[in-house]
Amino acid sequence: DQQVKQNSPSLSVQEGRISILNCDYTNSMFDYFLWYKKYPAEGPTFLISISSIKDKNEDGRFTVFLNKSAKHLSLHIVPSQPGDSAVYFCAASTQGGSEKLVFGKGTKLTVNP
Amino acid sequence: NAGVTQTPKFQVLKTGQSMTLQCAQDMNHEYMSWYRQDPGMGLRLIHYSVGAGITDQGEVPNGYNVSRSTTEDFPLRLLSAAPSQTSVYFCASRGLVSTDTQYFGPGTRLTVL
Repeated sequence: DQQVKQNSPSLSVQEGRISILNCDYTNSMFDYFLWYKKYPAEGPTFLISISSIKDKNEDGRFTVFLNKSAKHLSLHIVPSQPGDSAVYFCAASTQGGSEKLVFGKGTKLTVNP
Repeated sequence: NAGVTQTPKFQVLKTGQSMTLQCAQDMNHEYMSWYRQDPGMGLRLIHYSVGAGITDQGEVPNGYNVSRSTTEDFPLRLLSAAPSQTSVYFCASRGLVSTDTQYFGPGTRLTVL
């Protein structure tokens, strides 16, 4: 049973517009959430995280929103750039940090010039 | 710093063969882990270590052994490879603080025939 779900395998947006990537989770014990970006033939790279005590975290063009009651989080990229084209993984942990991460299947984002 | 390095990049094995996937980090990180990624799937945790001499199982440990004799190295051993172990393997490391960024290596693509 998937505990972290990314229901959109792919997303295509125009350069300059907003990209919204969604993630749902089922385990109410998750208390730390992360987004990773992955280019082909490379390892994932950390993008942004959020603790369950917050509902928003922002870092430059990237903002993560957490809705605990809905068990839902989203990553907003504004404005989107062609270099943002990659697979984005949502991950969650019950340990208050990045230990024993549970990953979603990923969403492939394509930003068109 | 080289970060997290993994060797080899690619490997083809026959069923029943054994091999060791190497992982090393030069950031003096205490926490190291191994994940596998199958097509269309997120990363799944195989084994992890919170320091030299200490290892524990993750979500999918069967068929794999690990040891941690030094802070820098965390090899993953396949004792008798099976086609179900065909995957891309990622090693990761992180500092002691749970909210530290987890850094991933570039991955090893393993095919078991």
